[in-house]
Amino acid sequence: KAGVTQTPRYLIKTRGQQVTLSCSPISGHRSVSWYQQTPGQGLQFLFEYFSETQRNKGNFPGRFSGRQFSNSRSEMNVSTLELGDSALYLCASSLEGDRGNEAFFGQGTRLTVV
Amino acid sequence: DQQVKQNSPSLSVQEGRISILNCDYTNSMFDYFLWYKKYPAEGPTFLISISSIKDKNEDGRFTVFLNKSAKHLSLHIVPSQPGDSAVYFCAATTPNFGNEKLTFGTGTRLTIIP
Repeated sequence: KAGVTQTPRYLIKTRGQQVTLSCSPISGHRSVSWYQQTPGQGLQFLFEYFSETQRNKGNFPGRFSGRQFSNSRSEMNVSTLELGDSALYLCASSLEGDRGNEAFFGQGTRLTVV
Repeated sequence: DQQVKQNSPSLSVQEGRISILNCDYTNSMFDYFLWYKKYPAEGPTFLISISSIKDKNEDGRFTVFLNKSAKHLSLHIVPSQPGDSAVYFCAATTPNFGNEKLTFGTGTRLTIIP
């Protein structure tokens, strides 16, 4: 059974540009959550999608957005990139998002903004 | 506002001895806690969890203890093995949520010395 796949693995962008990251969950999983990991801040919750709807949202500015497709694949978009957006972006998938089912993480996309 | 705190950024332990990783939280609404382990260039993997109705949960070499009055939990690894060297994250969630929205600590890097 394939795990959670995130593409691309590494990305370098310039300030002001926008970027789209992709996450393919484990087959059958309907919940996809996104996190930002920066040194000293740990993993911070961005948002969660379930059945193509944003179900939960963290405290990030509107420049951060996402969507989920009918096959549960999810994308997140960051517009008008800032240097502080440099981070490891992780997605996690689970069956329903409930406590009885483990959340599995992908390897992440390392975004560097220059 | 860091609601989940891991005050030790790093910890070194001799192989075969006990590793104790600590985590404090400030949000009294948290009722479910998890530990994740992360190797470099990989996503976090789930280790063990505990509900607030328990004060201890054990799984093989891993035991998590929860002290609700002190808002403190700890992960014990006995005996420690070289493969345990990784970054450990403590995470928590509130009754409204399952695994889809986790609040993470900043992590503790555990090094097992052979």
